[in-house]
Amino acid sequence: GAVVSQHPSRVICKSGTSVKIECRSLDFQATTMFWYRQFPKQSLMLMATSNEGSKATYEQGVEKDKFLINHASLTLSTLTVTSAHPEDSSFYICSAGLHPYEQYFGPGTRLTVT
Amino acid sequence: TQLLEQSPQFLSIQEGENLTVYCNSSSVFSSLQWYRQEPGEGPVLLVTVVTGGEVKKLKRLTFQFGDARKDSSLHITAAQPGDTGLYLCAGERSNTGKLIFGQGTTLQVKP
Repeated sequence: GAVVSQHPSRVICKSGTSVKIECRSLDFQATTMFWYRQFPKQSLMLMATSNEGSKATYEQGVEKDKFLINHASLTLSTLTVTSAHPEDSSFYICSAGLHPYEQYFGPGTRLTVT
Repeated sequence: TQLLEQSPQFLSIQEGENLTVYCNSSSVFSSLQWYRQEPGEGPVLLVTVVTGGEVKKLKRLTFQFGDARKDSSLHITAAQPGDTGLYLCAGERSNTGKLIFGQGTTLQVKP
């Protein structure tokens, strides 16, 4: 299967600061990547679709100015959590795929905002 | 809004038993994927079913997609402790790659 990486795997930041999370497709190109968040003991919730060369599209209820997404190349998408607050603490996971129906997930980034 | 109801949400069984996990929706999905997720890691794709009525087997795991592409099941035969984990079903919206996840099933297989 295709390999997707994320960096960092864990990050702790202070309230009010911004954090950038990278998602890379290692052995294939992806014009579209997806960002999800997962709270403890809950399932994954789609946040936004990252589109290479164009603006990201956000799911209802997700603040685009809070969660900035940039799809700089066919192998890299970044999610920046701006002015982070403790309620933003979560497990953030990206996915990418060769086909729409074969999505491969990164290992996730655990964000803790103190 | 498309919803995917997954059941049961928790299952604890003895080694050697069989089990079935269900995912149901009132909506049609263009495909349905099953994942397994370990704590602190991203989900790992087990299988994708695309055609209504499709059945796929992966060793002791059997996956089925409903004829109407609204529901799916995962059946595990002779469960082993190594099968312990969180199983997630996810329906794909209209060939977009966007996935709607079920609530997940936490499976515990006791030796």
